[in-house]
Amino acid sequence: QVTLKESGPALVKPPQTLTLTCTFSGFSLNTFGMRVSWIRQSPGKALEWLARIDSDDDKFYSTSLKARLTISKDTSKNQVVLTMTNMDPADTATYYCARTPNSRYAGMDVWGQGTAVTVSS
Amino acid sequence: EIVLTQSPGTLSLSPGDRATLSCRASESVVSYLAWYQQKPGQAPRLLIYGASSRATGIPDRFSGSGSGTDFTLTISRVEPEDFAVYFCHQHASSLWTFGQGTKVEIK
Repeated sequence: QVTLKESGPALVKPPQTLTLTCTFSGFSLNTFGMRVSWIRQSPGKALEWLARIDSDDDKFYSTSLKARLTISKDTSKNQVVLTMTNMDPADTATYYCARTPNSRYAGMDVWGQGTAVTVSS
Repeated sequence: EIVLTQSPGTLSLSPGDRATLSCRASESVVSYLAWYQQKPGQAPRLLIYGASSRATGIPDRFSGSGSGTDFTLTISRVEPEDFAVYFCHQHASSLWTFGQGTKVEIK
């Protein structure tokens, strides 16, 4: 069974750095073509794709947030970590991680439950 | 970055109605287009991938069509549990994006 779970602080002060961890099971990020993304959703708003890391360690970032984001993986721990610098109240959102399997047209087939982050002084 | 535009913003329907949701891409995404359903307080759920393939466990009243820049999600007969927000998502480019969502609400 494939599962993902996000963890991190519920409250962050501006302009602190946010560190979120996605811990997964049931698959390996060493498998060719496997990918894990981070997505966020501000209250009442649309989904926003943030970043992705692939099995070959290629990394991709949202154009608008690229300067503030870093994604990394620890395959021995089955974890993907996202850091976001210079946090602002506008970054208040639920943050999700999701898997995309190694299939040509695959979507994000399994999502974590999400972790809510509030940015406030 | 590829922009996805969904229409309408809100669809007001009665159970048993047919729902037609649109997603238009600013450039071709071939068939690298997925649809997700999201209910309040829940994570999104994959419905359709590859523009027209149903994900595991998705009822056959959900269908997807289209290629290139124009895509449609159809719910043949809306069930009470289908009232939710639906998002399209493209992964044709290196930088992935979502549409802004269509809310299917009870009329």
